[in-house]
Amino acid sequence: GDSVTQMEGPVTLSEEAFLTINCTYTATGYPSLFWYVQYPGEGLQLLLKATKADDKGSNKGFEATYRKETTSFHLEKGSVQVSDSAVYFCALSPRQGAQKLVFGQGTRLTINP
Amino acid sequence: EAQVTQNPRYLITVTGKKLTVTCSQNMNHEYMSWYRQDPGLGLRQIYYSMNVEVTDKGDVPEGYKVSRKEKRNFPLILESPSPNQTSLYFCASARLTGAEKLFFGSGTQLSVL
Repeated sequence: GDSVTQMEGPVTLSEEAFLTINCTYTATGYPSLFWYVQYPGEGLQLLLKATKADDKGSNKGFEATYRKETTSFHLEKGSVQVSDSAVYFCALSPRQGAQKLVFGQGTRLTINP
Repeated sequence: EAQVTQNPRYLITVTGKKLTVTCSQNMNHEYMSWYRQDPGLGLRQIYYSMNVEVTDKGDVPEGYKVSRKEKRNFPLILESPSPNQTSLYFCASARLTGAEKLFFGSGTQLSVL
C-alpha cells in the first residue's frame, strides 16, 4: 500500500542553520505530496504542497520539490528561526482530494538561539 | 474565524466507560475525518465522512464509532475504551471537490486507565 517515510528525529539545529528533512514515499500512480507542520499544543497546518512531478512547493521560506525519479519530497529551509521549532509531517494523497491522506511518522525540529 | 473545534482538550477515563469526543467545523466542509497520533507512527485515520449520513472506515477503526447527522458535527464515540486507545486524537475537515487542504482541530489527549 501507499506509505511515507521520514528521517528519524528529533533534529536540533542552531538558529540560521540550513535545514533538510528527508521524505520518501511509495505509491501507485501519481500522488499529491504535502508537508504539514504542528506547533506545540496545536493541530496540524498545511505548510506546502506539490501536485505533480518537478513541482516545487514553497511557503514561509520552506521549499520542497516533487522528485518522481527518486520518489522524494525533501523539506528545506535556508536559515531556520527559533519559531520554526515544531513537528513536521510529510504526507501523500493517492489522488486529488483529502480522503486518503497518508502521513509519515513526523520529525520533531528544535531550533536553539 | 474558520476553525475546527474539538472538545474536550484533555480526558482521563477508565476502561469500559463510554465517552464521546465532539468535533464541529464552521466552514461548511463536506469532508470530515478523525485521526489518532501515536509516537513513531504519525497520524492514522480512524473514520471519515464524505457528507451527512455517509461514513467510512479508515485504517484503524476498531473500537470506535462515528456519526454524521449534521454537516458541521462529527463526534467520535468510544463505546468501551481500552488502554490501547490512549492517544492524541485530531478531527479534520476539508472541502470535498478538489480538496487537498485539511483543517485540523487542536487535538484531544485521551488517557484510558
